[in-house]
Amino acid sequence: GAGVSQSPSNKVTEKGKDVELRCDPISGHTALYWYRQSLGQGLEFLIYFQGNSAPDKSGLPSDRFSAERTGGSVSTLTIQRTQQEDSAVYLCASSLDPITEQYFGPGTRLTVT
Amino acid sequence: AQKVTQAQTEISVVEKEDVTLDCVYETRDTTYYLFWYKQPPSGELVFLIRRNSFDEQNEISGRYSWNFQKSTSSFNFTITASQVVDSAVYFCALSGYNNDMRFGAGTRLTVKP
Repeated sequence: GAGVSQSPSNKVTEKGKDVELRCDPISGHTALYWYRQSLGQGLEFLIYFQGNSAPDKSGLPSDRFSAERTGGSVSTLTIQRTQQEDSAVYLCASSLDPITEQYFGPGTRLTVT
Repeated sequence: AQKVTQAQTEISVVEKEDVTLDCVYETRDTTYYLFWYKQPPSGELVFLIRRNSFDEQNEISGRYSWNFQKSTSSFNFTITASQVVDSAVYFCALSGYNNDMRFGAGTRLTVKP
């Protein structure tokens, strides 16, 4: 079956522009996570959605970051007024429920010039 | 707050050597889940194992084995008779009561032929 997909795979943007990153989770997975991975670094938790509950936004680094999940499926991560330090790979993962293993997408590599 | 520490940043071994990747965690939750993920050079994270906090039984899967010890808050991962294909970054992760998944910084394993 289809795994987690993310688009675009690569995004180059100028400092100050807004970007939207998309994640299509595995069908039927109620939990969806966004992470950020800077070059050679670990995974930094950003935000977590579970069903129709309010998302856990505790990992968002600033108010320039926001995310939504429409209809309990597709999610969009938006970064406003991008900065060079936002350059990283943004990973999306989904799981059947919060306590089972997460399946990761291939990531979106964001480069802010 | 959840915290996962992988003290070994990089490990290099020669093929057929055994290698242990350390993972130490911190949590105040009594119910929690521990995970190991592999990130090969291709980049996509792959789930390896999940353990819950009530099951301290060690697990073996082929050349992989995991040693979970609550007394030392450790969940170590051993690869027996390592192979070049084991070269990857390995992440240990912890999910607690609030389902807030936290990853360690990762250990980069290089297996040389």
